[in-house]
Amino acid sequence: DGGITQSPKYLFRKEGQNVTLSCEQNLNHDAMYWYRQDPGQGLRLIYYSQIVNDFQKGDIAEGYSVSREKKESFPLTVTSAQKNPTAFYLCASSISGGQTQYFGPGTRLLVL
Amino acid sequence: AQKVTQAQTEISVVEKEDVTLDCVYETRDTTYYLFWYKQPPSGELVFLIRRNSFDEQNEISGRYSWNFQKSTSSFNFTITASQVVDSAVYFCALSEVTDTGRRALTFGSGTRLQVQP
Repeated sequence: DGGITQSPKYLFRKEGQNVTLSCEQNLNHDAMYWYRQDPGQGLRLIYYSQIVNDFQKGDIAEGYSVSREKKESFPLTVTSAQKNPTAFYLCASSISGGQTQYFGPGTRLLVL
Repeated sequence: AQKVTQAQTEISVVEKEDVTLDCVYETRDTTYYLFWYKQPPSGELVFLIRRNSFDEQNEISGRYSWNFQKSTSSFNFTITASQVVDSAVYFCALSEVTDTGRRALTFGSGTRLQVQP
């Protein structure tokens, strides 16, 4: 089945720790995205990538980093510089930029 | 100013009632796209519909229908004969070219729909 997978489903971060969220897609999509969702709010764009080895900051990139070494994978690292990381993180992909985005099941990040 | 406004924070209906979720958007683009997504309690966003700015025809898919009116910058979503399984948060989103030249998806804050049995 084609789709987007995210792991883990729940992630706990300690103070000063970097954590990495995984996002993999087998839809052969060129573009991938990371969003953050806070309770009762819509989604905000963290980073996006339109092609392998290229990515751009979104609206709230501070404290986050990404890489796009493979078309299928777009991991997100939440660094210790992100002071309020508790949120629901959603990964999405699309055929190309601007086309319909399809979402993964999400990762919930909690701070210990 | 918000680019996508979903003024209804939460709506509660009884099963079999019809319900309309409102979405008002703001853009300077002449070419843009509008979307509706459903977010059930599991959290994953499910794509429902995409509409481009040149196509103002209303769309019906089973119990779902969408009314796009450029004159009022609205893209409303109606569920006919609602069911308990329709309970979810529904997001309206706008895809437009930003000042930096990229095409971005902007989400409204969502409307939580609760369908009571």
